[in-house]
Amino acid sequence: DSGVTQTPKHLITATGQRVTLRCSPRSGDLSVYWYQQSLDQGLQFLIHYYNGEERAKGNILERFSAQQFPDLHSELNLSSLELGDSALYFCASSVGSSGGGDTQYFGPGTRLTVL
Amino acid sequence: KNEVEQSPQNLTAQEGEFITINCSYSVGISALHWLQQHPGGGIVSLFMLSSGKKKHGRLIATINIQEKHSSLHITASHPRDSAVYICAVFPLAGGTSYGKLTFGQGTILTVHP
Repeated sequence: DSGVTQTPKHLITATGQRVTLRCSPRSGDLSVYWYQQSLDQGLQFLIHYYNGEERAKGNILERFSAQQFPDLHSELNLSSLELGDSALYFCASSVGSSGGGDTQYFGPGTRLTVL
Repeated sequence: KNEVEQSPQNLTAQEGEFITINCSYSVGISALHWLQQHPGGGIVSLFMLSSGKKKHGRLIATINIQEKHSSLHITASHPRDSAVYICAVFPLAGGTSYGKLTFGQGTILTVHP
């Protein structure tokens, strides 16, 4: 158990819908990262927040948005869902702000299926 | 060409064999990560290294910054080592990829008893 929690574990929804994925980092970690893992693209970095502020943005679609709240939990919002958005979404956390320069602890993931 | 290339893509071994997974990258980096993804999907960080060599139990990771290459070795492999092993790099500041962990496609390891 990494100490990072993600909810829900599974999510099945229809095209055009909007969903929110939630992540709580390990106690004491200030950074939260979001990743998408699809069968054809592998793992891809989406976005990094440190202590409430956006630090880096990857290949995140405009239909996707994220934020980190004062209690450090984070939410990833996916809207106007398409079939291709079906994937595993991982959240990770780390202590520092340097992004890939810290060891990251991964949550169990949310499996999103868009029908 | 991907910034991070792993080889082999698939690896099958017998229990007890010595295993090597390779990772080559094309950009300057400040850190490289090795991750393990279990069949159930969970991801565990195995190593983060920026130079030299690290060892944890039966796992050894090495990196050669000049050659832009890293290897993950597993000694005395066991069926419970069966997983996907993923290399990821953290590019140096100044490039377009700075701040973004970039992943290889993963190596699927199966160890038979």
